[in-house]
Amino acid sequence: DIVMTQTPLSSPVTLGQPASISCRSSQSLVHSDGNTFLSWLQQRPGQPPRLLIYKISNRFSGVPDRFSGSGAGTEFTLKISRVEAEDVGVYYCTQATQFPYTFGQGTKLEIK
Amino acid sequence: EVKLVESGGGLEQPGGSLRLSCTASGFTFSSYPMIWVRQAPGKGLECVSYIGSDGSATLYADSVKGRFTISRDNAKNSLYLQMNSLRDDDTAIYYCAKVLPGTTGGEYWGQGTLVSVSS
Repeated sequence: DIVMTQTPLSSPVTLGQPASISCRSSQSLVHSDGNTFLSWLQQRPGQPPRLLIYKISNRFSGVPDRFSGSGAGTEFTLKISRVEAEDVGVYYCTQATQFPYTFGQGTKLEIK
Repeated sequence: EVKLVESGGGLEQPGGSLRLSCTASGFTFSSYPMIWVRQAPGKGLECVSYIGSDGSATLYADSVKGRFTISRDNAKNSLYLQMNSLRDDDTAIYYCAKVLPGTTGGEYWGQGTLVSVSS
């Protein structure tokens, strides 16, 4: 199985300030079709996960443009340009390049 | 609007069985693969099973292989997970999620159903 490792596991951030989460995969996420199926999910307290970013850097429908994704191969990053109160929750990177789809441990974003 | 509604969770004893259902609406269910993902209390996410759009392809995580069976009824817009030989560590919220091929594993997620395995 592909292991996804996130850092940090906890991120206290001041409102209006940027936040960044890193994700590393144990092997390249480049699929044989040339795509890289790395996504980011947000899980607010008491809610199911919600797709934010797919294929490294594509924002899903309705996701604010303060969220952005980047990276390649085995190293990926989610950035929030200016954290808002509604961004509190746990963020997961996930890969769908190879089954079983796997997830990072989650990064808890909280407000300082 | 895409909607996924899980049901069938509950309290079951070790060794018992449960059948989860996921009813879909707002999209052409028969055109998309689906997955089941679980989340143990206070823990992270684990994808336990995948099924292709026509049901012919099924995949399982090692942790549930031989005990769980995924299936679907496209005429009823429904996804199922038959869970047998339940163990304590199967306790989790079980989510169904829509797969968008060529894009991502979990495009839309249901609210989840809680499965508790305890004597």
